[in-house]
Amino acid sequence: NAGVTQTPKFRVLKTGQSMTLLCAQDMNHEYMYWYRQDPGMGLRLIHYSVGEGTTAKGEVPDGYNVSRLKKQNFLLGLESAAPSQTSVYFCASSPQGQGDTNRGNQPQHFGDGTRLSIL
Amino acid sequence: DAKTTQPPSMDCAEGRAANLPCNHSTISGNEYVYWYRQIHSQGPQYIIHGLKNNETNEMASLIITEDRKSSTLILPHATLRDTAVYYCIVKAQGGSEKLVFGKGTKLTVNP
Repeated sequence: NAGVTQTPKFRVLKTGQSMTLLCAQDMNHEYMYWYRQDPGMGLRLIHYSVGEGTTAKGEVPDGYNVSRLKKQNFLLGLESAAPSQTSVYFCASSPQGQGDTNRGNQPQHFGDGTRLSIL
Repeated sequence: DAKTTQPPSMDCAEGRAANLPCNHSTISGNEYVYWYRQIHSQGPQYIIHGLKNNETNEMASLIITEDRKSSTLILPHATLRDTAVYYCIVKAQGGSEKLVFGKGTKLTVNP
């Protein structure tokens, strides 16, 4: 059981290049999330998905797009990378969202991150 | 979601209990207290959560005061591998999907 797997682990891009970060989970979780973490700061939510075919904006969505074509995968895209997007990106999944009334306390399971540098 | 306050850093001797406090004085009745930790260079790891009763699992214990305005995460026998940043998060049932990670407490376990 691999849990949450992020690909790639490291990447260096030039300004203006595009790329896609892949997150895969094998726990059959409904909800998936993308966060970024900058030095000295906590994690900030970029986008999330409450199920296959759905996506929603988080706290810092600008400059990113996401897709959830399959339940187990959540892709994060940078169409035109900027130096301000240099960060560590974490993907997470949970059985249900934190907001469900019956079981709103399901924890999120995180991957080990993708370290992205944009020059 | 209510805000939390944690000390920026703490030290603990290996083998001793580590008690990490969290203040959440504005917590409301439907908000849970979650604890996560982040070991250097890794993704956050869920530890434990609770509403009002004390909770215990294989990793830790969570003690929530009767008025729910503060809580303490207890690692009963800290090891060097417990050195990490520990985050206390208050999250409402029925609220948004966002987990708000503050700066947490950097726990250093010393040999």
